[in-house]
Amino acid sequence: EIVVTQSPATLSLSPGERATLSCRASQSVSTYLAWYQQKPGQAPRLLIYDASNRATGIPARFSGSGSGTDFTLTISSLEPEDFAVYYCQQRSNWPLTFGQGTKVEIK
Amino acid sequence: QVQLVESGGGVVQPGRSLRLSCAASGFTFSNYGMHWVRQAPGKGLEWVAVISYGGNTKYYADSVKGRFTISRDNSKNTLYLQMNSLRAEDTAVYYCAKGFDSSGYILIDAFDIWGQGTMVTVSS
Repeated sequence: EIVVTQSPATLSLSPGERATLSCRASQSVSTYLAWYQQKPGQAPRLLIYDASNRATGIPARFSGSGSGTDFTLTISSLEPEDFAVYYCQQRSNWPLTFGQGTKVEIK
Repeated sequence: QVQLVESGGGVVQPGRSLRLSCAASGFTFSNYGMHWVRQAPGKGLEWVAVISYGGNTKYYADSVKGRFTISRDNSKNTLYLQMNSLRAEDTAVYYCAKGFDSSGYILIDAFDIWGQGTMVTVSS
């Protein structure tokens, strides 16, 4: 099983700041990595697929990069609605696995 | 609009069974692989199972293999999860999710549409 590790666990930032979230896989997943946003009481929402492709309707302030084992989700300038938990997920091998999440909270 | 609506959750005793349903609308259900993903209270996301567009291919997480069965009825645009021999550790919100790939052939996928989830509590 591919273990996916996210860091940091919590990111405390102010609106307007840049957020950089990391995701590391225990073995190469090529670019088969997705990012999701989840707000309290809501289902996750797909932000980025295949490492760097924004899903439909996702604002341009969200960007993804990386390949192999190391990936980054960047939010260029945090909006109030961006404070949430973010998960990465690999789709290179079965079983599909998620990271444990990074909470982006208001500082 | 594109929508997934789960139902069937509830409180069940350990060792008993429960069947979840997920009604799809707004897209051609029979063209897509479909998944179940769960989230224990206060925890992260765990993929549970996937079924191919035609229902012939299925994969499961080791934690549910042999106890859970995923199925679909394309004539009813509905996905199911039959859960047997339930354990306390199966307590979670269960989400159905649509596979991203539009060809229908890729099951090892990301999830672009999610339902609102249904809560399953296994407790005596």
